[in-house]
Amino acid sequence: SYKLTQLPSVSVSPGQTVTITCSGDTAGGKLGDKFVCWYQQKPGQSPVLVIYQDNRRPSGIPERFSGSNSGNTATLTISETQALDEADYYCQAWDSNIWIFGGGTKLTVL
Amino acid sequence: EVMLVESGGGVIQPGGSLRLSCAASGFIFSTYTMNWVRQAPGKGLEWVSNIGGSGVRTDYIDSVKGRFTISRDNDKNTLYLQMDSLRAEDTAVYYCAKQEGIAAAGTLWGQGTLVTVSS
Repeated sequence: SYKLTQLPSVSVSPGQTVTITCSGDTAGGKLGDKFVCWYQQKPGQSPVLVIYQDNRRPSGIPERFSGSNSGNTATLTISETQALDEADYYCQAWDSNIWIFGGGTKLTVL
Repeated sequence: EVMLVESGGGVIQPGGSLRLSCAASGFIFSTYTMNWVRQAPGKGLEWVSNIGGSGVRTDYIDSVKGRFTISRDNDKNTLYLQMDSLRAEDTAVYYCAKQEGIAAAGTLWGQGTLVTVSS
């Protein structure tokens, strides 16, 4: 089945911009040809959708969160990062009628 | 209020069975595909199964095919996951999630219910 790859961890200083990437399995077709969503999950909490359809923000999600998807890489960008953004972030694509998740990236705000 | 509430988790011996429930409220349940997603302790999210709005179409991850059965009762606004022949590797928090839109996004998640398979 299709695979999504994320770096296990990334760190950022408060107020800076951070990008979290998600790479697709080239054998299964370009990730850019699929829609990608991003979820934020804080310890002990359920996942929360922060980006859907590559670059759209659900209501209530700050404008600091943005997304893109091109070629074989999807990117979540958080600008003006705050301490409360520290969490695990998962990319997700929809392929052959099932959800595929990346392994997750732990964002640390130092 | 729009919400999903899971129940039915617990500690079960290998080879045993459990049925999880997910009660939906605040939206027209029958019009949405619903998913089960699990998360083993300290691990990432893993999609388990989904079911179309009418309940006719279902899909499963290979590791649970033949052991888990997803179903729904649209009159009761409830999603189910019948889990049989449970294994230690099925230990996880199980979330139900509502799927929406052309991007099939998980727009609403429950709080999760913990299933522990252990002797």
